[in-house]
Amino acid sequence: EAQVTQNPRYLITVTGKKLTVTCSQNMNHEYMSWYRQDPGLGLRQIYYSMNVEVTDKGDVPEGYKVSRKEKRNFPLILESPSPNQTSLYFCASSSLGDTQYFGPGTRLTVL
Amino acid sequence: GEDVEQSLFLSVREGDSSVINCTYTDSSSTYLYWYKQEPGAGLQLLTYIFSNMDMKQDQRLTVLLNKKDKHLSLRIADTQTGDSAIYFCAERGSGNTPLVFGKGTRLSVIA
Repeated sequence: EAQVTQNPRYLITVTGKKLTVTCSQNMNHEYMSWYRQDPGLGLRQIYYSMNVEVTDKGDVPEGYKVSRKEKRNFPLILESPSPNQTSLYFCASSSLGDTQYFGPGTRLTVL
Repeated sequence: GEDVEQSLFLSVREGDSSVINCTYTDSSSTYLYWYKQEPGAGLQLLTYIFSNMDMKQDQRLTVLLNKKDKHLSLRIADTQTGDSAIYFCAERGSGNTPLVFGKGTRLSVIA
């Protein structure tokens, strides 16, 4: 089954404790992206990647890192999480120029 | 940067038609999308339209595009309680530019 998976689905952590949210797709898509969703702000793009070893900042990249060592994986790294990064995070993938498919979301709470 | 605007709330009675509106600023938009997000779930692609089309119909869904006014609408015929969700409008410019999302319209269906 074609899908985008994210792990974990729920995470509660404390300020400053490094964490990684994984994203994986099995559709051989070149394009992958991370969004955060906050009430009243909709979806905002954090980082995106056009292909392996190619990453670019989105609208709200501060406090986040990503890597794209393999085509299927696009992890989101928070080196030192802060409470303002409490949010719902979505990973998405697509073929270049095509519609995006979204993962189920990761709800992160930073205390 | 480019912007996508939608009203935040819409309430309709079961069986009526729902119309969710969206305006965008990118005159080079190539694709426009509607995504649905049910409570606690990820984003599901509902439908999309190429910028050279005026209308697209898919069962109960009708998408209308007025490219001159940069206005997109989604009409849901015979709205059901299962249609209650947040609906996101998104647009993609030319090339491989990332999607730009609206903040989402919360549709409430009253039985």
